[in-house]
This record gives sequence, structure tokens and C-alpha cells, in this order.
Amino acid sequence: RKEVEQDPGPFNVPEGATVAFNCTYSNSASQSFFWYRQDCRKEPKLLMSVYSSGNEDGRFTAQLNRASQYISLLIRDSKLSDSATYLCVVNLYGNKLVFGAGTILRVKS
Amino acid sequence: EAGVAQSPRYKIIEKRQSVAFWCNPISGHATLYWYQQILGQGPKLLIQFQNNGVVDDSQLPKDRFSAERLKGVDSTLKIQPAKLEDSAVYLCASILTGGTEAFFGQGTRLTVV
Repeated sequence: RKEVEQDPGPFNVPEGATVAFNCTYSNSASQSFFWYRQDCRKEPKLLMSVYSSGNEDGRFTAQLNRASQYISLLIRDSKLSDSATYLCVVNLYGNKLVFGAGTILRVKS
Repeated sequence: EAGVAQSPRYKIIEKRQSVAFWCNPISGHATLYWYQQILGQGPKLLIQFQNNGVVDDSQLPKDRFSAERLKGVDSTLKIQPAKLEDSAVYLCASILTGGTEAFFGQGTRLTVV
């Protein structure tokens, strides 16, 4: 079983749509969790950290369920500029960062 | 603040040749990573350094890959000899001590023909 698994993509959605990505991790001792965004042929960049209490940053909401070992990212009112690959990242221990395969989002007008 | 610097940006080599990549992390970042990203996949951790010590190299193919960070600052990753399946983007990243956000360089795109 992979350490971090994500929904297969691509997700093709119209502008204004709400889209949700899911991610599961296998190591229950994992310490912290993140969503990174990667634009085509660019390097990954941190989108947001994920906390058990849930956190929101504008149109983006991240949730963590430690009992189910499940992480989610919700994007509301999708924009064309949201088109990218979204990477689920788990800090196993000591800042060992493990990436999922990524989910491609395409927002169309 | 300067970001993570990597060179070269692109490299094309023939199989069985050798290649080396260089990374200079953000000043003061003690943790440095090398990741391999094959097209259509997520980054795969090759090696993690804390200062000049190796924290994790469990997924580094040690028969052909080597990496060093001798003075705890910049780092080099070497492949010798290269195989076709080594074609990928090699990403360097760093984290500030006590921090959680990894900052990535632009990567080196390696093509092995």
C-alpha cells in the first residue's frame, strides 16, 4: 500500500464549481499534513497546512480526520487560475515529507 | 530573500554516462531534500539531509546514485551510470529549522537517451 494515496484525476470542472479532493495516508503516526500546488512544469508550492480542527483560506478549506487517516481539500467558486496539480503531503516524522501522486484540476470557462 | 537555486536547468545525456546536479538551499535552512519527479507522478524522496548528515536515504538507488552535503550548505546529487528510467525532474527543497514549509528549486530536467 502506498504511504499517501490521492483521488485519480483529472477533474474537469466549470468556473464557479465546487470541487473536493481526497487523500488517505497509511502511517497512523504521521505528524503533520499539507496541500501543495504544482503548476505545469513548475515546482511545488505550499497551498496550506491541514489541521484536525479544519482550516480555511479564502475559497480553500482543508480537513483532517486522524481516525480515518483521511485528508480533504475543498475549493469553492473555482477560477481558471486554480487549474493545477494538487499534491497531498504527509510529514511522517522528523520532516520526512512524502508526496501523493497528485490530482489534476482543470477549470474551464 | 533568495530562493533555492539549482543547476543546470536542463541536461540531456546518453545512457551509461554520468551526471551531477547542484543545489544551494535558502540561507539558514538546515534540512535539504532531493526528490525525483517522473512525468505524471508525485515527487519521490531520494535523500534528506539535516545539516551535513543523512536523515533518510532509504529510496536512493545507491548502486548508481550518490549525494553529499559536505559543509551543510549546498549539495550535489550524482548519477553514475545513468539509465533511461532516470529521465525525470530532480527537485531540491529545503526547510528552515523548526519550520514546516518546504521551499523548492525550479528543478533540473534530465533526459537520458
